Amino acid sequence: AQTVTQSQPEMSVQEAETVTLSCTYDTSESDYYLFWYKQPPSRQMILVIRQEAYKQQNATENRFSVNFQKAAKSFSLKISDSQLGDAAMYFCAYRKSSAAGNMLTFGGGTRLMVKP
Amino acid sequence: GAVVSQHPSWVICKSGTSVKIECRSLDFQATTMFWYRQFPKQSLMLMATSNEGSKATYEQGVEKDKFLINHASLTLSTLTVTSAHPEDSSFYICSARGAGQGFNSPLHFGNGTRLTVT
Repeated sequence: AQTVTQSQPEMSVQEAETVTLSCTYDTSESDYYLFWYKQPPSRQMILVIRQEAYKQQNATENRFSVNFQKAAKSFSLKISDSQLGDAAMYFCAYRKSSAAGNMLTFGGGTRLMVKP
Repeated sequence: GAVVSQHPSWVICKSGTSVKIECRSLDFQATTMFWYRQFPKQSLMLMATSNEGSKATYEQGVEKDKFLINHASLTLSTLTVTSAHPEDSSFYICSARGAGQGFNSPLHFGNGTRLTVT
């Protein structure tokens, strides 16, 4: 079974600075997808960024970028120029690239606090 | 974009009663629905996967007779918590995958339902 581990229960960053959230995963699959989701206090799940395992290039979305290390099974999220609105729970998630078992498996989450 | 409407957003019920949670795909046909549960300050844990017209597949440790899932149409899936107890109090959230979309297609989340059993 796949597992996703986020080793940082809480992180804090000063507004306008950069923070990196860590994620490691375990799988025997060669093709899969990795995601970072943001969950603000409203509890709505918001997709931040997605990475296909077959792509070597790291995904970027504006201030958000990932460092995907497939051999190390590591998938960290970097948030640049942090804003107060970035404060939320962040979940790393894994998804198989197959019709069966296509659900998202989530890590335990990291609570990000942004200091003004 | 694809919208999943989940109702109710919050519900309080008495112990022993049943509660039904609905997830509707408003602008697409949801062939697959994933139901998650999230306890306070914890992650989302998959409860079950339902495919339209088929019986749901439950994760280990989830009682299928307690958490009844119905996915009778391509736009509606329901989760009924039967004989609810205080330990069932949690945040329940659905996530849908659309018809005709590959298995790598995005999943669309409902806004969740906060259930409190007194």
